[in-house]
Amino acid sequence: DAGITQSPRHKVTETGTPVTLRCHQTENHRYMYWYRQDPGHGLRLIHYSYGVKDTDKGEVSDGYSVSRSKTEDFLLTLESATSSQTSVYFCAISGTSGNYNEQFFGPGTRLTVL
Amino acid sequence: QQQVKQSPQSLIVQKGGISIINCAYENTAFDYFPWYQQFPGKGPALLIAIRPDVSEKKEGRFTISFNKSAKQFSLHIMDSQPGDSATYFCAASMRTGANNLFFGTGTRLTVIP
Repeated sequence: DAGITQSPRHKVTETGTPVTLRCHQTENHRYMYWYRQDPGHGLRLIHYSYGVKDTDKGEVSDGYSVSRSKTEDFLLTLESATSSQTSVYFCAISGTSGNYNEQFFGPGTRLTVL
Repeated sequence: QQQVKQSPQSLIVQKGGISIINCAYENTAFDYFPWYQQFPGKGPALLIAIRPDVSEKKEGRFTISFNKSAKQFSLHIMDSQPGDSATYFCAASMRTGANNLFFGTGTRLTVIP
């Protein structure tokens, strides 16, 4: 998985609780992304980062926030989890040289909100 | 609004046959079109990608055909094998900005021995 780890890999939580998912890379890539995958929707971009402390919203950002204090770590936070946020979350990374469009994905985190 | 439309939703092919998955887009600013392969419980893995300056790209048994005027592209898997059984996603992105990917909804391919 291209030097990308995600933690936790599985999580069950209750509605209204805060949840933080972590993505860690060892590739020193500039860009990092958070996607969610749901049946019938493919993967949809939540937030992305183009450098330390530089982040922006994606297609489905409502209810999510992110932070990137180090090149290698990108955190996704659900401030108050809802059942609609039950999904599989994938982190991806992309470099700035050569085939900079290429995105490489982590193994995913399965989140269930009861 | 789905920026990349993918069909079919599912596909069953005999071993040795050709699997064909189609995608269409509207945004002419897209200039990079990758295909990803995903096995159950795993993250998507980049399979093959094409830019609009060529009409075809082949890597082993996998070929992308690209029709710029029709704004369509497709994945062909020749001599399909049971190990190819997976979900395939097409995607598109623009050169500018962070190169965010817009994905199709996926095709579940089953190759029957």
